[in-house]
Amino acid sequence: SQKIEQNSEALNIQEGKTATLTCNYTNYSPAYLQWYRQDPGRGPVFLLLIRENEKEKRKERLKVTFDTTLKQSLFHITASQPADSATYLCALDMMNTGFQKLVFGTGTRLLVSP
Amino acid sequence: SQTIHQWPATLVQPVGSPLSLECTVEGTSNPNLYWYRQAAGRGLQLLFYSVGIGQISSEVPQNLSASRPQDRQFILSSKKLLLSDSGFYLCAWVVGLAGTDTQYFGPGTRLTVL
Repeated sequence: SQKIEQNSEALNIQEGKTATLTCNYTNYSPAYLQWYRQDPGRGPVFLLLIRENEKEKRKERLKVTFDTTLKQSLFHITASQPADSATYLCALDMMNTGFQKLVFGTGTRLLVSP
Repeated sequence: SQTIHQWPATLVQPVGSPLSLECTVEGTSNPNLYWYRQAAGRGLQLLFYSVGIGQISSEVPQNLSASRPQDRQFILSSKKLLLSDSGFYLCAWVVGLAGTDTQYFGPGTRLTVL
């Protein structure tokens, strides 16, 4: 079965540093990969989407890479701020029936200290 | 603009009691709707999805059921709750079917079964 792995341990970094989160997957070749942010007690919020033919995608301080050979996506936040503290989820589109079905990783909690 | 509502926000129920969670979407037509559950320390688990009124697909066999009586209303139910039903229930919608379409999540319902 498809498996998505994200670091279960929290990532602690200092303000101003670059945070790098990892998403690894097995047994699937997704056409798209999405990243979401989830704050405690709230629903996830979409951040970025990257296609299989895109190596890198940027949005303001966010950057996502997608290596289909390694079956890995990296999510970077540059010049991190305490407000970036949240759980970040990656999701793969398992759309093999013509209907969008996302499978989510368990998420990595990011803590940015002032 | 589109908004998604869920209620109640929190719920404490005894084992064996019934359940009804409601999700409504405003500002869009014919959305595809999803129910997810997020247990403590685990990722989002897709429970049900619906492409239209009365059309429900189940992802995980369990004692939960879903219904879509109106285009923008999605209901999650159970006749008898189990302890394992505790979790954070999220409703989401997406307009398109493509993998590039992002999902928009509601605020969630925190369910505790005692």
